[in-house]
Amino acid sequence: AQTVTQSQPEMSVQEAETVTLSCTYDTSESDYYLFWYKQPPSRQMILVIRQEAYKQQNATENRFSVNFQKAAKSFSLKISDSQLGDAAMYFCAYRALTGTASKLTFGTGTRLQVTL
Amino acid sequence: GAGVSQSPRYKVTKRGQDVALRCDPISGHVSLYWYRQALGQGPEFLTYFNYEAQQDKSGLPNDRFSAERPEGSISTLTIQRTEQRDSAMYRCASSLLAGGPETQYFGPGTRLLVL
Repeated sequence: AQTVTQSQPEMSVQEAETVTLSCTYDTSESDYYLFWYKQPPSRQMILVIRQEAYKQQNATENRFSVNFQKAAKSFSLKISDSQLGDAAMYFCAYRALTGTASKLTFGTGTRLQVTL
Repeated sequence: GAGVSQSPRYKVTKRGQDVALRCDPISGHVSLYWYRQALGQGPEFLTYFNYEAQQDKSGLPNDRFSAERPEGSISTLTIQRTEQRDSAMYRCASSLLAGGPETQYFGPGTRLLVL
């Protein structure tokens, strides 16, 4: 079974600085998708960024980028120029390409605080 | 609709009662998913549908939990004989197509409290 591990329960970053959230996963599949979701205090779940495992190029979305290391099964999220609105829980998620392909498997989350 | 909607947003019930949680997906979305999120945890998969067909119910914890999507649109998650351990946030998500890179759009969730 696939597992997703987020080893940092909480992180803190100063406004305008850069922070990296870690995520590792375990799978025997070669093709899959990885996601970062943001859960603000409103408790909505908002997709931040997505990475296809077959793509070597790391995904970027404005201030958000990932460092995808397939061999190490690592998928970290970098937030540049942090803003107060980035404060939230961040969940890493895995999705297989085959089998129960539509199921998302989430990590336990990292709570990000942004300070002035 | 503009997004995934769920009702009720909050539900307080007594142990032993049945509850029905409703999900209205984004119009035209083929796939619909149910997750459960305990406090301080990530969402855990329960079940999903493509159109009206239930494709995977491997995450349903026991036979007190069931779900349906009879017309391929609105879905209902039913919990019979609720127990205190069922207290959690129940989230619904939908995606335009099944599988692949399709983004799952989440609803606001139903917070269930079983007393």
